[in-house]
Amino acid sequence: EVQLVESGGGVVRPGGSLRLSCAASGFTFDDYGMSWVRQAPGKGLEWVSGINWNGGSTGYADSVKGRFTISRDNAKNSLYLQMNSLRAEDTALYHCTRCRGGTCYNAFDIWGQGTMVSVSS
Amino acid sequence: DIVMTQSPDSLAVSLGERATINCKSSQSVLYSSNNYNHLAWYQQKPGQPPKLLIYWASTRESGVPDRFSGSGSGTDFTLSITSLQAEDVAVYYCQQYYSFPPTFGQGTKVEL
Repeated sequence: EVQLVESGGGVVRPGGSLRLSCAASGFTFDDYGMSWVRQAPGKGLEWVSGINWNGGSTGYADSVKGRFTISRDNAKNSLYLQMNSLRAEDTALYHCTRCRGGTCYNAFDIWGQGTMVSVSS
Repeated sequence: DIVMTQSPDSLAVSLGERATINCKSSQSVLYSSNNYNHLAWYQQKPGQPPKLLIYWASTRESGVPDRFSGSGSGTDFTLSITSLQAEDVAVYYCQQYYSFPPTFGQGTKVEL
């Protein structure tokens, strides 16, 4: 079964850090680009960051550029998001998603259930 | 960034009737080299992650019922649900993947 399982969310104070992980299974991980998409409580979808199949190309939303870093370990079938200098507006459910191809100039065809990040003092 | 605007924000439809959702992009998402529109539609039910329904504006994802169809080109797109079923109650999002960053519409809530 094709599956993405996120972990690493939690409650953190403003200015703090978290590292999200996404474990992929059921498909050849290094054939696909991957992205993180977040959803604030009761709100719509916002793309956060993406990475191509071999990690050689990454992209970030302006709202997180310079604070978040996406990476992947193809040997471990895992995707990561290092989140630094967290702000209240980063509070959201973070979904790991698979891009329909080696890059993310494509739709997102597999979504994880998400991991919740709450930034609060 | 390309801005995606959906209409309406919400829609009440009777069982068995047709639902139509519109999506407009602030610039064309038609890639001239392959003549594909870089536009996808997703369905999100309460408590669940989004599910891909349609990509390339009109290609149905595997396993998606054929009552769901996508149309349009350039900047104007439509998701149609013919003969609405109870399980189709959800929020629907369009998304462009023509240029970075990928952007989503604000969502359209379909209710009975």
